[in-house]
Amino acid sequence: DAGVTQSPTHLIKTRGQQVTLRCSPKSGHDTVSWYQQALGQGPQFIFQYYEEEERQRGNFPDRFSGHQFPNYSSELNVNALLLGDSALYLCASSSRFVAEGGNTIYFGEGSWLTVV
Amino acid sequence: AQSVTQLGSHVSVSEGALVLLRCNYSSSVPPYLFWYVQYPNQGLQLLLKYTTGATLVKGINGFEAEFKKSETSFHLTKPSAHMSDAAEYFCAVSQFGNEKLTFGTGTRLTIIP
Repeated sequence: DAGVTQSPTHLIKTRGQQVTLRCSPKSGHDTVSWYQQALGQGPQFIFQYYEEEERQRGNFPDRFSGHQFPNYSSELNVNALLLGDSALYLCASSSRFVAEGGNTIYFGEGSWLTVV
Repeated sequence: AQSVTQLGSHVSVSEGALVLLRCNYSSSVPPYLFWYVQYPNQGLQLLLKYTTGATLVKGINGFEAEFKKSETSFHLTKPSAHMSDAAEYFCAVSQFGNEKLTFGTGTRLTIIP
């Protein structure tokens, strides 16, 4: 059973460019969340998707956008990259159809983004 | 709003000694509490979680944590540290278990041979 898979694992972009990160949730999961983890910090919630719509959003600017596809996979897009966007971007998957309290959130290995 | 405070950004213990990592939370509703571990250059792995019921929760790799509502704490312990326990540990809180997680800033655990 494949867990949460993310691509690419590492990438380098220039300030002002745009980046797209991809995530496939764990089999059986329908909900995808994205987190940003800056060096030496805890992960920060960006947004969550299910039923192909953004359901919750953290304190991130509109430059951060996302999409969820019918197969539950998801993309995170960041426009007009800033040096401060350099971080590990983590995808997490879960299921809305597990009884409350029984759900477990699984994380992928992350995508390391460096903005130069 | 929910928040998590992890006391001690760096903790060092000798191999075989007790591991104690501290976590205090703030939540206006009954919290769901989690401990995750992150090894270098890897994602997050769930160690254990508290939802409802028994306040002492056992996790993987010999770790356990106790939910103390009166102290708003969820400290992580392991009786005997192993070299393989060296990693970054994050405490997190959520409202309903599958909602967004709010993480602490992490504690880096170093094991001294």
